[in-house]
Amino acid sequence: EVQLVQSGAEVKKPGDCLKISCEGSGFRFTDYWIGWVRQMPGKGLEWMGIIRISDSYTLYTPSLQGQVTISADISINTAYLQWSSLKASDTAIYYCARSMGGTNMVDYWGQGTLVTVSS
Amino acid sequence: VMTQSPLSLPVTLGQPASISCSSSQSLVHSNGDTYLHWFQQRPGQSPRRLIYKVSNRDSGVPDRFSGSGSGTDFTLKISRVEAEDVGVYYCVQGTHWLTFGPGTKVDIK
Repeated sequence: EVQLVQSGAEVKKPGDCLKISCEGSGFRFTDYWIGWVRQMPGKGLEWMGIIRISDSYTLYTPSLQGQVTISADISINTAYLQWSSLKASDTAIYYCARSMGGTNMVDYWGQGTLVTVSS
Repeated sequence: VMTQSPLSLPVTLGQPASISCSSSQSLVHSNGDTYLHWFQQRPGQSPRRLIYKVSNRDSGVPDRFSGSGSGTDFTLKISRVEAEDVGVYYCVQGTHWLTFGPGTKVDIK
């Protein structure tokens, strides 16, 4: 069974750093790409970026370039999304999603990680 | 840019429902495929893909869901709405990077 299991909810202060994770199982992790999606409170879905697991080639939505970093560790079948300095506007649910062929074929999603940034 | 209509769709149980999705550019990829998919997000859950590449139902998806369309205009139809279909439906294109439609909220009248 394909599963993407994300790390738990986080409460942080503005300026804090954070790294959330997404562990894949039930499939060959290195055959796929993993993307990250943001859902701000009460809002729709926004694609943030994607990483090709086999070689860590990464692409970002232009508006988010430099704001976050996507990485992966193939030894533990895990992808990451990290911030070096959080802002209150980063408060959202973040989902990881599996894809084949870049962004062409997104299919399975993780359960989401709620990140709350508040002073 | 992806647009959907309507953005809110109250439906009667057992009745059909239809959601339209339009793209500002053709979603036909250079390889001939059209990467337009439909996702359902039930309240409090992560999105689940229902339809991929315009009209292909994912495994386990009830056959009351169907997708159609081509080029820039697409439709998701539910033949007979059930209570478990309540949620937000997104069209998603994966041909040119990846963008989501704004979502259509389906609830029961």
